Amino acid sequence: QKEVEQNSGPLSVPEGAIASLNCTYSDRGSQSFFWYRQYSGKSPELIMFIYSNGDKEDGRFTAQLNKASQYVSLLIRDSQPSDSATYLCAVKAGTPLVFGKGTRLSVIA
Amino acid sequence: NAGVTQTPKFQVLKTGQSMTLQCAQDMNHNSMYWYRQDPGMGLRLIYYSASEGTTDKGEVPNGYNVSRLNKREFSLRLESAAPSQTSVYFCASQGGGRNVYTFGSGTRLTVV
Repeated sequence: QKEVEQNSGPLSVPEGAIASLNCTYSDRGSQSFFWYRQYSGKSPELIMFIYSNGDKEDGRFTAQLNKASQYVSLLIRDSQPSDSATYLCAVKAGTPLVFGKGTRLSVIA
Repeated sequence: NAGVTQTPKFQVLKTGQSMTLQCAQDMNHNSMYWYRQDPGMGLRLIYYSASEGTTDKGEVPNGYNVSRLNKREFSLRLESAAPSQTSVYFCASQGGGRNVYTFGSGTRLTVV
């Protein structure tokens, strides 16, 4: 059984701080990794994907991958109240994607 | 730029009634998926279709059937609805050489 684990939260951070969201996965053969954001009552939308070990930056978002530790994280710099949402980690090891249950982030103004 | 379109957006059914949830994508994607999302349970895969003409069971297929009508459309049918099927249902598609999923806006189904 391929598993993706996330802390359900809520993770509360003050506005302007760095939010750190973490995800671990069970299948060492996993090839690609995705972060989706889901606002309450809305559908998931892709924020970032990462394939290689190391960091990938896109604006205020940085995805970090460590395949040896089977760990992927998402950092959100200068967190804004509009970042308050549930963040879903997804991992590809074959078809289909395996999603974690998500971490709820609350950014306090 | 429609992407993935789901209908209906809301539905209330009585126990034992049947209905079909419709999903269509205009991105020429090969793969399509049906998920349900319940509080605290995350996204759970019901069925998927890796390509036109194929369908496979996911994690929670019992009580559901699917039809990949053509490349664009993938429908989900509840033959005899049960209160345990009250959920939000998402359709997604994937293709174009990247493993990115694009989700529809969802169907909120209540079975009473």
